[in-house]
Amino acid sequence: DAKTTQPPSMDCAEGRAANLPCNHSTISGNEYVYWYRQIHSQGPQYIIHGLKNNETNEMASLIITEDRKSSTLILPHATLRDTAVYYCIVSPGFNNAGNMLTFGGGTRLMVKP
Amino acid sequence: KAGVTQTPRYLIKTRGQQVTLSCSPISGHRSVSWYQQTPGQGLQFLFEYFSETQRNKGNFPGRFSGRQFSNSRSEMNVSTLELGDSALYLCASSPGGGRGPREQYFGPGTRLTVT
Repeated sequence: DAKTTQPPSMDCAEGRAANLPCNHSTISGNEYVYWYRQIHSQGPQYIIHGLKNNETNEMASLIITEDRKSSTLILPHATLRDTAVYYCIVSPGFNNAGNMLTFGGGTRLMVKP
Repeated sequence: KAGVTQTPRYLIKTRGQQVTLSCSPISGHRSVSWYQQTPGQGLQFLFEYFSETQRNKGNFPGRFSGRQFSNSRSEMNVSTLELGDSALYLCASSPGGGRGPREQYFGPGTRLTVT
């Protein structure tokens, strides 16, 4: 699986957009970009995934560059409850490869009042 | 649908003992993966089961084993416990079939403390 690089920590003001970057320069053509987050001592929570196109759901938006070497997770209106460690993971989308996720260090997002 | 459940939530064991952890996936999900989380090593993949067969295995010693039952429920076992096995053990389920991306849904974890 391709490796990812994320800043170790970021701060964001409550109510503002949080933009979390991720570099994945060695991503392969069949690898998806997944984002998960983990609130202290809880199990990771799936947020969103994408292959080439930008994606949006009720939680966040995912912007993937045209060359797919980097992406940005956007939380449009961050709240204190969004304080968590955010993990960017790239993994094959074909199910016969299995479901192994390789977690890096993630970005610790602190949302401040 | 009910989420992924893990039992027990907390466990204290002594070095040398063995332990069995249980995971019930989301109804209809056929893939169950296990992860270990420690402060030093972060989240590490242990193994994945799909339709009662181990499909992937991480870089852990043979003391760590697992199985999956016909109802997709899974157990993992750690024998001859060491202090370093103290960790949060997480189970994740996924639909597991077909092609395309398969997001995983994690349970709350079992916190194992080895003394």
